[in-house]
Amino acid sequence: EPEVTQTPSHQVTQMGQEVILRCVPISNHLYFYWYRQILGQKVEFLVSFYNNEISEKSEIFDDQFSVERPDGSNFTLKIRSTKLEDSAMYFCASSEQGISRGSPLHFGNGTRLTVT
Amino acid sequence: KNEVEQSPQNLTAQEGEFITINCSYSVGISALHWLQQHPGGGIVSLFMLSSGKKKHGRLIATINIQEKHSSLHITASHPRDSAVYICAVLGSYNTDKLIFGTGTRLQVFP
Repeated sequence: EPEVTQTPSHQVTQMGQEVILRCVPISNHLYFYWYRQILGQKVEFLVSFYNNEISEKSEIFDDQFSVERPDGSNFTLKIRSTKLEDSAMYFCASSEQGISRGSPLHFGNGTRLTVT
Repeated sequence: KNEVEQSPQNLTAQEGEFITINCSYSVGISALHWLQQHPGGGIVSLFMLSSGKKKHGRLIATINIQEKHSSLHITASHPRDSAVYICAVLGSYNTDKLIFGTGTRLQVFP
């Protein structure tokens, strides 16, 4: 069964450094999402992406964050200058027609980001 | 007050027991999702429903839109059902923003 893959599974970085989290969504999916989960807390929506542009973003998704689909397969989340509070598990997800249209959501296994 | 509340927060059961996890929400929604988060952290979508009831194997999800409440039931629970179960809602107005509950941690003992 096709799946969403995320790399790396664990990333350690120093405060102030830039990180790029990578995701390969399921190949025929058109809608892409990033979520984060701070340890011990609930999952939070960051951003949704469709047709090569952001369709919706949360208050968390400030100027330090950006997303990109640099080629036909990868979907990346960049954090420009990491802060300690960016430490979290980051999940990528994709959906064929978008969850607002009732299309199921498929999650990757997450990237655990640790900022020291 | 959280927009999505789940109860209980933690649940332990003996293998074979019938499990119910509850979710209440305070906003208008177009759909409600039930997700399973494995001990390793990965998330799997179990159900997406906007009315009535859905069944998949030993899992049953129901929703009452008027009461803003949903339940997830597990029949004949098994230790492999041990996970965190998360309720998430999608708002009414053409949004892709899921609002998540804090999850219910289920442990099923043999």
